[in-house]
Amino acid sequence: DAKTTQPPSMDCAEGRAANLPCNHSTISGNEYVYWYRQIHSQGPQYIIHGLKNNETNEMASLIITEDRKSSTLILPHATLRDTAVYYCIVRVGPGGSQGNLIFGKGTKLSVKP
Amino acid sequence: DAGVTQSPTHLIKTRGQQVTLRCSPKSGHDTVSWYQQALGQGPQFIFQYYEEEERQRGNFPDRFSGHQFPNYSSELNVNALLLGDSALYLCASSLGGTDNTGELFFGEGSRLTVL
Repeated sequence: DAKTTQPPSMDCAEGRAANLPCNHSTISGNEYVYWYRQIHSQGPQYIIHGLKNNETNEMASLIITEDRKSSTLILPHATLRDTAVYYCIVRVGPGGSQGNLIFGKGTKLSVKP
Repeated sequence: DAGVTQSPTHLIKTRGQQVTLRCSPKSGHDTVSWYQQALGQGPQFIFQYYEEEERQRGNFPDRFSGHQFPNYSSELNVNALLLGDSALYLCASSLGGTDNTGELFFGEGSRLTVL
């Protein structure tokens, strides 16, 4: 079973920030939070990952709570092309044994004009 | 474009037949993982290959087998196909050593339909 809990769906207006929550209350000390997204009929695409500090890249920002039991992925200015299923995954991070990704059902984000 | 190539993109088989799917990883990557994605579900891990050996396996029957070649490309074989094997099969590549980033690069998948 997935170690994360996400809402099944969310809507966002084009141009506004999309905030996607994720609960991972059983996360271990050596596990990172990874986010992937899957646009319809394509393979999943890596977005961002973090351990305990907030992270930002060209695609998104990741905010992890101090107790690491939850996080939020932020798309600062959502576009129609951001419509996708977003997966929050916890796993051993860089440099460690990779193992597998355990996907849940994710959050289907619909960006509307 | 993640740089991971899968073939074929679509195929149709009948129950009981066998199928082989192929994957070429991103240049410089040495690890290939395979996932099965049923309609409306998240991808499910099948197995991972590193240095031509199966390193980890998910909860899939022995009908699912694989191979990794010296050039790091990989095949997924499924024998005695069942209707329930109809799915999108995804290949993901990564670095397997200690310098990996933890990021997987996925191909576009092979859509298998079993009739």
